[in-house]
This record gives sequence, structure tokens and C-alpha cells, in this order.
Amino acid sequence: GEDVEQSLFLSVREGDSSVINCTYTDSSSTYLYWYKQEPGAGLQLLTYIFSNMDMKQDQRLTVLLNKKDKHLSLRIADTQTGDSAIYFCAESIAGSARQLTFGSGTQLTVLP
Amino acid sequence: DTAVSQTPKYLVTQMGNDKSIKCEQNLGHDTMYWYKQDSKKFLKIMFSYNNKELIINETVPNRFSPKSPDKAHLNLHINSLELGDSAVYFCASSPRGAAPSTDTQYFGPGTRLTVL
Repeated sequence: GEDVEQSLFLSVREGDSSVINCTYTDSSSTYLYWYKQEPGAGLQLLTYIFSNMDMKQDQRLTVLLNKKDKHLSLRIADTQTGDSAIYFCAESIAGSARQLTFGSGTQLTVLP
Repeated sequence: DTAVSQTPKYLVTQMGNDKSIKCEQNLGHDTMYWYKQDSKKFLKIMFSYNNKELIINETVPNRFSPKSPDKAHLNLHINSLELGDSAVYFCASSPRGAAPSTDTQYFGPGTRLTVL
């Protein structure tokens, strides 16, 4: 979406770390999310971070949030071929009808 | 035990036809959504709906209409299909309550619509 931007492609070697970046524009975002879409499937929630946090770690996943710069990143440690997918960041804004605004998605390709 | 299911998975039809895509969730969620994902994988919300409120994205043509026979279903009707309607349509649902649970949307597998 026009409010949430991501780079379109990322390639990494198996075993390396992947870092997927996202920028958003709405400073009133309350939660920021990372979703994963495998080929031919719907989106699956990976993790989320509350806007007053700087970092969240969940096993191989680390989310970093720079609220000042409105920058969100997802780091995947020890990237595996099964991690190949499209990764979407999304923001939600508090309101009467809570909706998600998705970024354009980053296609992660893990090379053997 | 499919949480969010959609039918059909593939839909090929002629321009000008009217078609429907069905969505069902067995999660007991209160809010359901329809998204359109274009060929560049860009995902855009079309509708969000619970039993109190229908939110329509203003960019959605009025040829598209959601219909909810009950809380577990939100079907998408499309009239006078156009070539530009070709895309993958995703249904999703989320529970009632406070964030982030209400933002944790569970997606269906998608319906690939091809308009010839």
C-alpha cells in the first residue's frame, strides 16, 4: 500500500540471516505485524510488535521497530529454504473499525 | 479442520458474467474481511464486516458486494465482471476483543479469479 512500503525482493544463502525492511507513514499505528505467504496459500501471522516496543524476539525471528523513523524490520536467523515466501508487514491503527494496511510484500528467496 | 475456507479455489469466467465466492470460518470470529491480491502480490482490503458494521474501501466498485447470511459466512458477489477483476481474492477473519488479537487475521487459501 501507499502507506506501507517494502523492497520487493531479497535473496540470501541458506544459513545466513535475512533482514526484511518496512517503512510506514502513520504515526498513530498501534501494532505492526509480519505475515508470511507461501506459494499458493493465504497469509499467516508470524509475529507482531506493539508500537511502544523497540524489539521483540521469537525463536529465529527478531523484530526491530524504530518509531522515530517509522521503520520496521524482520530478521530471520539461520534462514532455511522453507523460509522462502513473501513477507508482508502491516500496520493497524486504533479506531472503531480496526483494519490492517499491508505493505507490498518482499519476496524472500533462499538459495542452497 | 480448516479454519477459514473459500470456494471455489479457481474460477474462470467470461467478461460480463456475475459470480460469487464463498467464505466460511469455523473459528467463532466476529469480523470477516475480503482482500484482493493483484498480479504484483499487492494486497488491498476490500471490505471488513461484523454484525454491526460494514466498512467498504472507497476504491472498490459497487459491482462488488459482500453478503453475510450468518456470522460464520461472508460471501463476495461480483456483477458484470471485467478483465481487471482478475486477481486472487482472500477471505480472512479475526476475533472480538482488544488488539492485537483483533488484528490477528486468519486467512483463507484464496480464490484465483480469471476473467476472459
